[in-house]
This record gives sequence, structure tokens and C-alpha cells, in this order.
Amino acid sequence: DGGITQSPKYLFRKEGQNVTLSCEQNLNHDAMYWYRQDPGQGLRLIYYSQIVNDFQKGDIAEGYSVSREKKESFPLTVTSAQKNPTAFYLCATLDRSMSGANVLTFGAGSRLTVL
Amino acid sequence: SQQGEEDPQALSIQEGENATMNCSYKTSINNLQWYRQNSGRGLVHLILIRSNEREKHSGRLRVTLDTSKKSSSLLITASRAADTASYFCATESAGGYNKLIFGAGTRLAVHP
Repeated sequence: DGGITQSPKYLFRKEGQNVTLSCEQNLNHDAMYWYRQDPGQGLRLIYYSQIVNDFQKGDIAEGYSVSREKKESFPLTVTSAQKNPTAFYLCATLDRSMSGANVLTFGAGSRLTVL
Repeated sequence: SQQGEEDPQALSIQEGENATMNCSYKTSINNLQWYRQNSGRGLVHLILIRSNEREKHSGRLRVTLDTSKKSSSLLITASRAADTASYFCATESAGGYNKLIFGAGTRLAVHP
């Protein structure tokens, strides 16, 4: 999926456990994003990072944390504080190649199920 | 917050027919984009239309934008079974700081 690798593809977690979803890109894009998708619904923005060592909260950041120590990597931790973490998680990078317009390239996603 | 709202939520057609999906939004935008998602996969960018454009074509896709009504439509002509997917509109708000806001999507099923 366009140079973005998300792992694992499927993850099962017990209640009360933290889990970390990996997102690695080789597209040399500066900005990276995490979205959450619930069944039959659109995408909601969790966190985004426009540059290394900087990130901002999206619309539903509570119960999640991120880091951006390297340009290529933007891992997402789903903490035990997230009340309903079962969802499909999508990582994306931002491409401004279309004459300055922002276009997202997505990874294949990680499906998290809480048992 | 959901900026775009797609209509209809689901659409079922036969191969060869045209499929039209609509998207409404609330705030001023720099551009509006359409993405496609196959089941269980990531999204793929299809087409982008800027706020100063009214219509754009790409292969079998035609997108229109009416900024006075804050709405857009995506037309897929001569649909194929392989077009079966969910389609999402996404808006980049004016002054949106590199954020795209997605709607809930239209699920399109094209039957052979």
C-alpha cells in the first residue's frame, strides 16, 4: 500500500492492556496521521505529526498516545484508558505533490479487537 | 468532527449502470477529495477538485463541486463489479492546517 507498512494486521488485546501499533513509511513524507474507523463509519482523526518530534491531537485523542522520533516511524499506543478500542486503525502520510494540495496515502490498516 | 456527509449510505446497481454519490460539507474548503476503500483495506485517493473548480474528470470518474451549496457529487460511469467498494469524500478546510476530514462513506455494490 504505497510504501506504508502497518503491523500487526490483526491484534487481540485483553482489557486493561496497552498495545502499540506500528506505522513505517519509506515515502519520505513529513506529515503522518492516525485515523480510527468503526464498522460502517468514516474515519476519525486520532493524532497527527507534521514533523519529527512534534505531534498534535486530533478529534479523538483521549486514551491514545504517539511518538515521532524518526521521520519514517509514527507508532500509536492504545492505552487502557481508551474505553472502546476495538476498531480498524489506519495510518497515512501526506503528499503535497499535487501542486500544493494535500493528498493522503494510506497503509493497509491494523484491526484491533479487545477480548 | 465529521465535515462531509455522503448520500446515499448504500447503493446497489447492475454492471454497466452509472453510480452517483453525493457529499455535503459545512465549512469553507480549499479542496474536496474522493477516496475508495475495498473491504478491510486502506483508502486510495481517486480524485481531487479545488474550490475554484466546478467539474473534473478522470477516466470513468466525474466529480462536480458546488461551493454555494457546499456539495459535491462523484459519478462513476459504466460501472464494473470491480468498482464495488466504499467511497469517501474528504475536505481540506480553508486554514485547515494539513487536516482532512472524512465523511461516513457510501457503500457501492455492483452486481454482474
